[in-house]
Amino acid sequence: GAVVSQHPSRVICKSGTSVKIECRSLDFQATTMFWYRQFPKQSLMLMATSNEGSKATYEQGVEKDKFLINHASLTLSTLTVTSAHPEDSSFYICSAQRPIVSQGRQLYGYTFGSGTRLTVV
Amino acid sequence: GESVGLHLPTLSVQEGDNSIINCAYSNSASDYFIWYKQESGKGPQFIIDIRSNMDKRQGQRVTVLLNKTVKHLSLQIAATQPGDSAVYFCAENRRISGGYQKVTFGTGTKLQVIP
Repeated sequence: GAVVSQHPSRVICKSGTSVKIECRSLDFQATTMFWYRQFPKQSLMLMATSNEGSKATYEQGVEKDKFLINHASLTLSTLTVTSAHPEDSSFYICSAQRPIVSQGRQLYGYTFGSGTRLTVV
Repeated sequence: GESVGLHLPTLSVQEGDNSIINCAYSNSASDYFIWYKQESGKGPQFIIDIRSNMDKRQGQRVTVLLNKTVKHLSLQIAATQPGDSAVYFCAENRRISGGYQKVTFGTGTKLQVIP
């Protein structure tokens, strides 16, 4: 259980075009999803938190108009990189939150997608 | 973003030895910590978690230790195997305004297992 599907796994696009990345929770509902960006040999950097039915919360320094996030349903969040440039080339990963019971309490589990390698040429 | 973009430190361990991976977290309000394993080109996979009211938790071949005084977390892997080679991240979870949860990652450590 708790599977998150992320598509596409790889995409190459021309500079100036837009790319949409989808993140789906397949067997659970996720009211909250997170989008991360990862550069080679570096950690995951939180870009934004996506809450179903409301506007995403962006981290400081992340351009809202460039990285459009839509969380229209409890199982789908999308990240659109608009007017992509070579410096946007990176590995983008989504994570879906679900409530779990661990150590006798309700906590949250986070299941990650397999990531999307974006290359802008 | 909140993660620091430093290059990953590397830990090289002989197969069969024990590995200890360390992590410093940043926020004293974090109430839940998770260790993830990330293989090249893939998303992170859950390994083990620990609540802030505990200082130790054991799983299969893995143990997590939490020291809240110095905001330090460690992951111990017993009898390290080649399949353990990956990048390991600690993550801290805390509640933010609006009742939402926020998860941020540490810098990560690359574990290389020498056969």
